Amino acid sequence: GQQVMQIPQYQHVQEGEDFTTYCNSSTTLSNIQWYKQRPGGHPVFLIQLVKSGEVKKQKRLTFQFGEAKKNSSLHITATQTTDVGTYFCAGSPPSGTYKYIFGTGTRLKVLA
Amino acid sequence: ETGVTQSPTHLIKTRGQQVTLRCSSQSGHNTVSWYQQALGQGPQFIFQYYREEENGRGNFPPRFSGLQFPNYSSELNVNALELDDSALYLCASSGWTDSYEQYFGPGTRLTVT
Repeated sequence: GQQVMQIPQYQHVQEGEDFTTYCNSSTTLSNIQWYKQRPGGHPVFLIQLVKSGEVKKQKRLTFQFGEAKKNSSLHITATQTTDVGTYFCAGSPPSGTYKYIFGTGTRLKVLA
Repeated sequence: ETGVTQSPTHLIKTRGQQVTLRCSSQSGHNTVSWYQQALGQGPQFIFQYYREEENGRGNFPPRFSGLQFPNYSSELNVNALELDDSALYLCASSGWTDSYEQYFGPGTRLTVT
């Protein structure tokens, strides 16, 4: 079945450093979403990417969807302590059912 | 705050028992998805309901069942609980639009002993 992997599993950065997490699907996706989950919290929607090669920015966050629609990345510029949490990608297969498969997540710690 | 509520917050059950978890969708949302999140892992899709009909199911056995009501609130029922069912159960509501944002509730923490 479809699998979605993320690397790295963990990342510790100094405040002000950049951070990138990569998401790879075993199959082509219809679209991909990114979520952030704070410790003890629930996933919070960040963004959805639909088009091949799409790039979207939200302040310090840059999201990319690969040309083959099988991979994606999230890049955070100049991390802040408020960026702490686990970042998940979630991919939907092109079957129209919107059955989202979540990635394994990248846990980010930011050291002040 | 998403407007999606879940009850109860925490629950302790014994192996073999049955449990019902509840979710109230955000106003205007007609689709709800249920996820199981084990500690340290990503949410796993259980199933989705759209306008009271099941609209997709993940790799979960039939003892996981659900309902969606006319007001779009939803229930997740799990029969014959197993120890491995211990997890955070999340529901997510969304509107059936091009931007399929999912709004998650706070979850129900289920412990099976």
